[in-house]
Amino acid sequence: DTGVSQDPRHKITKRGQNVTFRCDPISEHNRLYWYRQTLGQGPEFLTYFQNEAQLEKSRLLSDRFSAERPKGSFSTLEIQRTEQGDSAMYLCASSRQGAGNTIYFGEGSWLTVV
Amino acid sequence: AQSVTQPDIHITVSEGASLELRCNYSYGATPYLFWYVQSPGQGLQLLLKYFSGDTLVQGIKGFEAEFKRSQSSFNLRKPSVHWSDAAEYFCAVGLTSGTYKYIFGTGTRLKVLA
Repeated sequence: DTGVSQDPRHKITKRGQNVTFRCDPISEHNRLYWYRQTLGQGPEFLTYFQNEAQLEKSRLLSDRFSAERPKGSFSTLEIQRTEQGDSAMYLCASSRQGAGNTIYFGEGSWLTVV
Repeated sequence: AQSVTQPDIHITVSEGASLELRCNYSYGATPYLFWYVQSPGQGLQLLLKYFSGDTLVQGIKGFEAEFKRSQSSFNLRKPSVHWSDAAEYFCAVGLTSGTYKYIFGTGTRLKVLA
């Protein structure tokens, strides 16, 4: 396994701009998760895909956030009209279908909104 | 609702001393349980996991954790701490159905004194 890959690793953007993060899960992992981690906090669940279907979204995922996973492979997380409160690390993770399978996390994408 | 509590925000120990980090969870069934470590600016590294069976779990870097159902706890231990163990430690509960997502605690920051 090559691991979960996230891009970009760091992004600085001005308030009001749109940003997009990409996640490439481990191949053959059909489950994909997005989490957000702010300073001093644990990761918080944002959304979950099984293959290409987005099956769960947290209330943290406001209307400005949208996630996709076309064809059940890579995923994108877009934040529109960024706000300073969006500054955080966005973690992507993936796992295989089945009970008891470990979720593997990427290195994260740091977002700073100035 | 599922939740994870890590009661200690900060812990300071001397190098060579023993360590115990506390974790309590709330879940309707026997959960999957995990401990992760995170160095500043880095992603999450899995230390150990519990799915079933032996309640004492061995992990990497000399860490172990014990699942105590009666106390809803999964405390992390290390007999002798090294300076390189200084980091943030997260306990997580994994759902055993549905999305199988993880719910994280708020973390314990470990400082090691030389």
